[in-house]
Amino acid sequence: RKEVEQDPGPFNVPEGATVAFNCTYSNSASQSFFWYRQDCRKEPKLLMSVYSSGNEDGRFTAQLNRASQYISLLIRDSKLSDSATYLCVVNAQGAQKLVFGQGTRLTINP
Amino acid sequence: DGGITQSPKYLFRKEGQNVTLSCEQNLNHDAMYWYRQDPGQGLRLIYYSQIVNDFQKGDIAEGYSVSREKKESFPLTVTSAQKNPTAFYLCASRDGTALMNTEAFFGQGTRLTVV
Repeated sequence: RKEVEQDPGPFNVPEGATVAFNCTYSNSASQSFFWYRQDCRKEPKLLMSVYSSGNEDGRFTAQLNRASQYISLLIRDSKLSDSATYLCVVNAQGAQKLVFGQGTRLTINP
Repeated sequence: DGGITQSPKYLFRKEGQNVTLSCEQNLNHDAMYWYRQDPGQGLRLIYYSQIVNDFQKGDIAEGYSVSREKKESFPLTVTSAQKNPTAFYLCASRDGTALMNTEAFFGQGTRLTVV
């Protein structure tokens, strides 16, 4: 089983729609969680950290479910500019190893 | 400006040659990482380093070597033993002093092609 797993998609949704991705992780000692965005042929950039209580940044909401060992990302009122690959990232407490999921590709259609 | 710099952006290598990819950061970060990304795939960890003169193998270290002689620098050598080196290589750094939720910053990557 992979340490971090994501549905690779692709997800194709119309502009204005709400879309959600999940990411599961296998290491129960994981403590830090992130969502990164990667545009085509570019480096990944941090979209948002994921906190235990859940957190929101504008149209983006991240949730953590420790019991089921998954994190989620919700994008509301999607824009064309949201088209990208979304990577979830996990690392265990006290460890510096960052593990990436394979990414979920999202395309927003006009 | 603080940041992380990879060079070169594009690199072509003949089969059987070793090549070294440069990664420099001026963010004063302790932890540095090398990842490999193949088309349509996620990032796979090659090596990482938490402190100067120390580094650990990641998931796909075979055919690669690294050094960490200075805090700012973490070069990656792709050796001739790496069977399929053509890929996009990404270097990242992270503040190792914080306990949690510190983001990793990436360089712009090096595209290596074996010809």
